[in-house]
Amino acid sequence: DQQVKQNSPSLSVQEGRISILNCDYTNSMFDYFLWYKKYPAEGPTFLISISSIKDKNEDGRFTVFLNKSAKHLSLHIVPSQPGDSAVYFCAASALGGTSYGKLTFGQGTILTVHP
Amino acid sequence: GAVVSQHPSWVICKSGTSVKIECRSLDFQATTMFWYRQFPKQSLMLMATSNEGSKATYEQGVEKDKFLINHASLTLSTLTVTSAHPEDSSFYICSAPVVRTYEQYFGPGTRLTVT
Repeated sequence: DQQVKQNSPSLSVQEGRISILNCDYTNSMFDYFLWYKKYPAEGPTFLISISSIKDKNEDGRFTVFLNKSAKHLSLHIVPSQPGDSAVYFCAASALGGTSYGKLTFGQGTILTVHP
Repeated sequence: GAVVSQHPSWVICKSGTSVKIECRSLDFQATTMFWYRQFPKQSLMLMATSNEGSKATYEQGVEKDKFLINHASLTLSTLTVTSAHPEDSSFYICSAPVVRTYEQYFGPGTRLTVT
């Protein structure tokens, strides 16, 4: 049962353009969402997160949008740079209880930014 | 930012032998650490939660006797793959959450190959 889904396995974008990575979730208990960037044979690196009480969070070139009613979030990267090329994972967490801190990851989307 | 290290970064072992992987939080204390496994081109799957001073909690489908977890101190958790088989070959990643937040810092991962 894939509770967090990234339906696009890959995305190719031209340098300078916007990259939009999408993520859907099914578990309504999730209330905190994170995006991680990962290179091969390395651990994920935290990018940006958003709490369910917000619908947008921005950090430099990265913006995450959350649509709770649709159980959908997206990561926007503007402008995209070749160094952004990596695998991007969406992750979700539930508040408190025994699930505190446990992350459920999506399958990842390979982003390639062409010069 | 916080740093989490893993050792070794890669290991090759023969079937039937056991392998120990260490996860250390270098500049903060972690009462909880998480162990993930990633197959090629797939998502990170949570295997277990390592708890300092108590038993680890395992996710459904993960064999406790095969993947032994010991949280020896506030900065060290170890994962021992016992009686390794080729199907245990994978990329193992640990993470440590920052207390009272949802952020997690990931180690660089350990590539295990069982021949």
